Amino acid sequence: AQKITQTQPGMFVQEKEAVTLDCTYDTSDQSYGLFWYKQPSSGEMIFLIYQGSYDEQNATEGRYSLNFQKARKSANLVISASQLGDSAMYFCAMREGTGNQFYFGTGTSLTVIP
Amino acid sequence: EAGVAQSPRYKIIEKRQSVAFWCNPISGHATLYWYQQILGQGPKLLIQFQNNGVVDDSQLPKDRFSAERLKGVDSTLKIQPAKLEDSAVYLCASSLSPSSYEQYFGPGTRLTVT
Repeated sequence: AQKITQTQPGMFVQEKEAVTLDCTYDTSDQSYGLFWYKQPSSGEMIFLIYQGSYDEQNATEGRYSLNFQKARKSANLVISASQLGDSAMYFCAMREGTGNQFYFGTGTSLTVIP
Repeated sequence: EAGVAQSPRYKIIEKRQSVAFWCNPISGHATLYWYQQILGQGPKLLIQFQNNGVVDDSQLPKDRFSAERLKGVDSTLKIQPAKLEDSAVYLCASSLSPSSYEQYFGPGTRLTVT
C-alpha cells in the first residue's frame, strides 16, 4: 500500500482565493510526522509545514495550515489568499516514528490564475 | 546562511557511462540525504548519512550506485554504469540531526541518460 496518497494531479485556484490540497497517509505507527513541501519550477524543495501525530492543534505557518484528521488519516494543506507565486508542485510526506525514511506522495501541481 | 549546494545542475550522459554528483550541506548539519526524483513522482530516499557514517542505504541500488561523505561534510553520489532508468533529478538535503523534522534541500542535479 502507498504510504502517502495525493489524489489531485493538478489544481487551479483564482488569485486571493483559498485552496485545499489533499493528502492521506497509511501507517500503523502511533508516532509519526507529516510534512508539506513546495517545489517550484526551479526544482528546490521548500519546507512549508509540519504536524506531529501527537499534536492536538492543527499546524499553521502564515498562509499555510494543515487540516489534520487523525481518524481519517488525512493531512490536507490549506493555502489561504493564494498568490501567483504559489504556483508550484506540492508534496505531502511522512516520517514514521524515529525512522529515517521519508515517504513522499506523487505531488499536486497548483496553478494560481490571475 | 548559505543553503545546500549541489553541482552540476544538469548532466547528460550515455548509458553505461559514469557520473558523479556533489553536495555541500548547510554548515553544521550532521545529517545528509540523497534522494532520487523521477519525473512525475515524489522524491525517494537513496541514502542517509549521519556525519560520515551511513544510517540508511536500503533503497540504494548498490550494484551501480555508491555514495560517500568523507570527513562528514560534503558528499558525492556516483552512478557506474548508468542506465536509461537513472534519468531523474538527484536531490541532496541536510538537517541538523536525524530527529530534526526540517530538511533543507539543494536545487538538485537533473540527469539525462541517453
